[in-house]
Amino acid sequence: AQSVTQPDIHITVSEGASLELRCNYSYGATPYLFWYVQSPGQGLQLLLKYFSGDTLVQGIKGFEAEFKRSQSSFNLRKPSVHWSDAAEYFCAVVPNTGNQFYFGTGTSLTVIP
Amino acid sequence: GAGVSQSPSNKVTEKGKDVELRCDPISGHTALYWYRQRLGQGLEFLIYFQGNSAPDKSGLPSDRFSAERTGESVSTLTIQRTQQEDSAVYLCASSLGANGQARYEQYFGPGTRLTVT
Repeated sequence: AQSVTQPDIHITVSEGASLELRCNYSYGATPYLFWYVQSPGQGLQLLLKYFSGDTLVQGIKGFEAEFKRSQSSFNLRKPSVHWSDAAEYFCAVVPNTGNQFYFGTGTSLTVIP
Repeated sequence: GAGVSQSPSNKVTEKGKDVELRCDPISGHTALYWYRQRLGQGLEFLIYFQGNSAPDKSGLPSDRFSAERTGESVSTLTIQRTQQEDSAVYLCASSLGANGQARYEQYFGPGTRLTVT
């Protein structure tokens, strides 16, 4: 069965510091990969996606993610965090022939001044 | 209305009652998904509609859960004989296109928070 693991339940970083959120998946083939952000009182917003090709993908709000096939990982990064980045971040995968998305349990990000 | 809308935003119901949740997708989006998000958990896939094709119901947790969608319009998720474990936020998402990568780019609604007492 497919699974998505986000090992960090909660992360705190200082404003201006760099950020990396981890995501690992379990699936036989390379699925399609996504990162979503859920801000308080807001719906989920797609940050970035990976389907194929270049393993480093750029998203909105200055985020990027790198797909590493050998590690079954799709970690999210940002070089300099802003206070407005405080939110819940979800990694998701979908088999490239399927409909069912599998979401991780999320990482809550706190940004301190 | 440019986004996905859901109603009601909050619903409190007594155990054993039936509830109906509504989702209005973005106009022109042929695909529609329902998810459940329990407190502190990720999203659980419930059901997927694509145009007039038979829906993918593989995520529905029990036969108390059902969903309908007429064509490419509104969808309703019905939970019969609600239980306390049904308490969660129910999210709807829509996406454009039956084929290709566009169908995976979901736009989410704000959700319906269901509380079963």
